Amino acid sequence: DIQMTQSPSSLSASVGDRVTITCRASQDISNSLAWYQQKPGKAPKFLLYAASRLESGVPSRFSGSGSGTDYTLTISSLEPEDFATYYCQQYYNIPRTFGQGTKVEIK
Amino acid sequence: QVQLQQSGPGLVKPSQTLSLTCAISGDSVSSNSAAWNWIRQSPSRGLEWLGRTYYRSKWYNEYAASVKSRITINPDTSKNQFSLQLNSVTPEDTAVYYCARALTGTYAFDIWGQGTMVTVSS
Repeated sequence: DIQMTQSPSSLSASVGDRVTITCRASQDISNSLAWYQQKPGKAPKFLLYAASRLESGVPSRFSGSGSGTDYTLTISSLEPEDFATYYCQQYYNIPRTFGQGTKVEIK
Repeated sequence: QVQLQQSGPGLVKPSQTLSLTCAISGDSVSSNSAAWNWIRQSPSRGLEWLGRTYYRSKWYNEYAASVKSRITINPDTSKNQFSLQLNSVTPEDTAVYYCARALTGTYAFDIWGQGTMVTVSS
């Protein structure tokens, strides 16, 4: 199975801050990476796929980049509704696997 | 728009079978461009993909190795839904269970059910 490792596990930030979350795969996943946002008590919400393609309706302050084994999710300017937990997930092969999550908290 | 509605019991006794159903609206379980998945989430295991069913001229199923001996995912074309059965459950199977769609093209889980908290306890 492909292991997905996110860093940091949590971070504190203020509204307006730029935030970057990193996801590392245990092998090359050829940009087969998605990002999700999850708020307490809710299902994950799909944000990006193919490492950098924004899902329809997702604000442009979210962006993704990376290649090979290393990927990042960037929020250019944090809004109050962005405080949540973020997960990466590879779909390069079966089984699909997720990172352990990065909790973005209010400073 | 596409919606997934989950149903099933929230409490299952150890050694019994966990059964959940995911009803699809706005899409078809027989779609040639979708796969229908079950995913669970617990504090100890995080988000864990369990398996999927999909139709590409015939039905296919794929399961995670961790549950392969105990899991069955079945499509029900007459009701446009799919189901999860997990046999011989233990307290380690306590989790929030989600159904989710993945489309060919994006391959990510773009639509999720509301989640069902399942507790395994006597």
